Amino acid sequence: DAGITQSPRHKVTETGTPVTLRCHQTENHRYMYWYRQDPGHGLRLIHYSYGVKDTDKGEVSDGYSVSRSKTEDFLLTLESATSSQTSVYFCAIKEDFFRENTEAFFGQGTRLTVV
Amino acid sequence: RKEVEQDPGPFNVPEGATVAFNCTYSNSASQSFFWYRQDCRKEPKLLMSVYSSGNEDGRFTAQLNRASQYISLLIRDSKLSDSATYLCVVKGYQKVTFGTGTKLQVIP
Repeated sequence: DAGITQSPRHKVTETGTPVTLRCHQTENHRYMYWYRQDPGHGLRLIHYSYGVKDTDKGEVSDGYSVSRSKTEDFLLTLESATSSQTSVYFCAIKEDFFRENTEAFFGQGTRLTVV
Repeated sequence: RKEVEQDPGPFNVPEGATVAFNCTYSNSASQSFFWYRQDCRKEPKLLMSVYSSGNEDGRFTAQLNRASQYISLLIRDSKLSDSATYLCVVKGYQKVTFGTGTKLQVIP
């Protein structure tokens, strides 16, 4: 299995509080991604990173920010959590986005509940 | 129209049966195609890539039909362990889109 871990695995938080999720990899892959998965929707990209301090928005980035200060760590922050951000969050890593048929490896997921 | 569409299922099939799923995509410029498998409350894992000429990996066969813009996954001799959700993934120039998945339940 690819060396990718997410923390925490489960979290319950209150509306309006900031929350940070961590993704840590030991594969030295350049690309890292944060997705959310909700019933009736496929995995949707929140933000991604293509190198240290290089990040960009995905399709559902509102209310989220990210940081990547080291190759191995990619942090996702919910600036002020809302109930609509209750979801399962997956981090993924990829060696090379543009090379055909390269595999994305996913972390185990973080179940976040905003009450 | 969704960019990637899958029948959510569930497909309930007996052990040993053959089952096929389709996935349609809307962007004719899509470049790469994949099937991922996701077990309940687990992360997605790559099952197989889909090549233009079709490809097989044991009991699994994937095919691509660019003219009709769909990919398919065929599972032969279904096992109980095949029970999972199968996600279709389509990669364009700078975007990867996931389908919502098709749930398969293999019944003893």
